[in-house]
Amino acid sequence: GDSVTQMEGPVTLSEEAFLTINCTYTATGYPSLFWYVQYPGEGLQLLLKATKADDKGSNKGFEATYRKETTSFHLEKGSVQVSDSAVYFCALMKSRGGSEKLVFGKGTKLTVNP
Amino acid sequence: DAGVIQSPRHEVTEMGQEVTLRCKPISGHDYLFWYRQTMMRGLELLIYFNNNVPIDDSGMPEDRFSAKMPNASFSTLKIQPSEPRDSAVYFCASSSRLLAGVSNEQFFGPGTRLTVL
Repeated sequence: GDSVTQMEGPVTLSEEAFLTINCTYTATGYPSLFWYVQYPGEGLQLLLKATKADDKGSNKGFEATYRKETTSFHLEKGSVQVSDSAVYFCALMKSRGGSEKLVFGKGTKLTVNP
Repeated sequence: DAGVIQSPRHEVTEMGQEVTLRCKPISGHDYLFWYRQTMMRGLELLIYFNNNVPIDDSGMPEDRFSAKMPNASFSTLKIQPSEPRDSAVYFCASSSRLLAGVSNEQFFGPGTRLTVL
């Protein structure tokens, strides 16, 4: 079945460091890919998305490129801030016959120290 | 819009008791999802509805769990009887394909933290 694998962490960085969180997926066809972020005590929020191969999603300085050849959607940010401390989830969606199911990775906890 | 509203935010109950979690989706959204989040299993989809009709309940763990959506603005997730292993954070999310286009952003509520003693 469809699945998402992401580095489990936790990841601890200093402010202004470069961030990469790896995400790979297994799915037939052409899923849409997402990164969601969960801040402490809150629900998940969409961070960015890409709907087809070679698309780049970006938001708040974060970027991820849909790589079909490597089935990857790695999240990157050039300079992290303390406020980026959160749990990050990679996810895919395949809409077949009206299905709207999101398949999530296990999440990666990021802590950014000042 | 107020976003997805869930109540209660915290629930502590004793094993064997009935628990009802409530969700109000964003107005105009036609999809509603119930998720469970635990450290061990991560984020799991329990069930989702489209236009108030259950579409996929394959994630509902067992018969003790039931979900209803009597109208477009309200859904409940009920656990009867509750067990300690049901302790988790339960999230409700909603979305609208008509508004989002090709790929659907799901908007999550703040969650209900359930503790079963």
